[in-house]
Amino acid sequence: NAGVTQTPKFRVLKTGQSMTLLCAQDMNHEYMYWYRQDPGMGLRLIHYSVGEGTTAKGEVPDGYNVSRLKKQNFLLGLESAAPSQTSVYFCASSYSTFRMPQREQYFGPGTRLTVT
Amino acid sequence: GQNIDQPTEMTATEGAIVQINCTYQTSGFNGLFWYQQHAGEAPTFLSYNVLDGLEEKGRFSSFLSRSKGYSYLLLKELQMKDSASYLCAVRIITGGGNKLTFGTGTQLKVEL
Repeated sequence: NAGVTQTPKFRVLKTGQSMTLLCAQDMNHEYMYWYRQDPGMGLRLIHYSVGEGTTAKGEVPDGYNVSRLKKQNFLLGLESAAPSQTSVYFCASSYSTFRMPQREQYFGPGTRLTVT
Repeated sequence: GQNIDQPTEMTATEGAIVQINCTYQTSGFNGLFWYQQHAGEAPTFLSYNVLDGLEEKGRFSSFLSRSKGYSYLLLKELQMKDSASYLCAVRIITGGGNKLTFGTGTQLKVEL
């Protein structure tokens, strides 16, 4: 059981370049999330998904897009990277049923992105 | 909007007890979580409260008072490995599902 995995672990981009971060989970979780973590700001929700084929905006969605084509994968895209998107990005997933609302989230190891 | 407050830093001695407080002002409250995050690593789940009272889990306990918008995490018999950031997070019910809002974290330093 790998849990939640993220690729890549590190990336340096130039302003205006694009990239996709991949998150995968093997726990059959319905919910998946993308956060960014900046010093002094805490974890902030970018986008999330409550199931395959569905996505929703979080607290800081501008400049990012997501897709959940398969239940186990959640992709985060940056179409035109900006220095303000330099951050550590965490993916998370959680289990949820109608009778048992989602409990704890399981986090991936993070992706350290620098935009120059 | 949502507002979660916790102290930025705390220092404690190995073997001692430390209490990390968290206050929140939210609408649609549906539970409070505590996570531990070591430097350079991912957050890991510590505890969860949805009803008022104390939840105990080994050396860690968490308390919730919904009427006061207040929670604390209690760490007993502190060890050096407990030096980490402790994140308070509130689960909120929205039209699009449940979401977590995190505080900025309390950096705990355990000293000899």
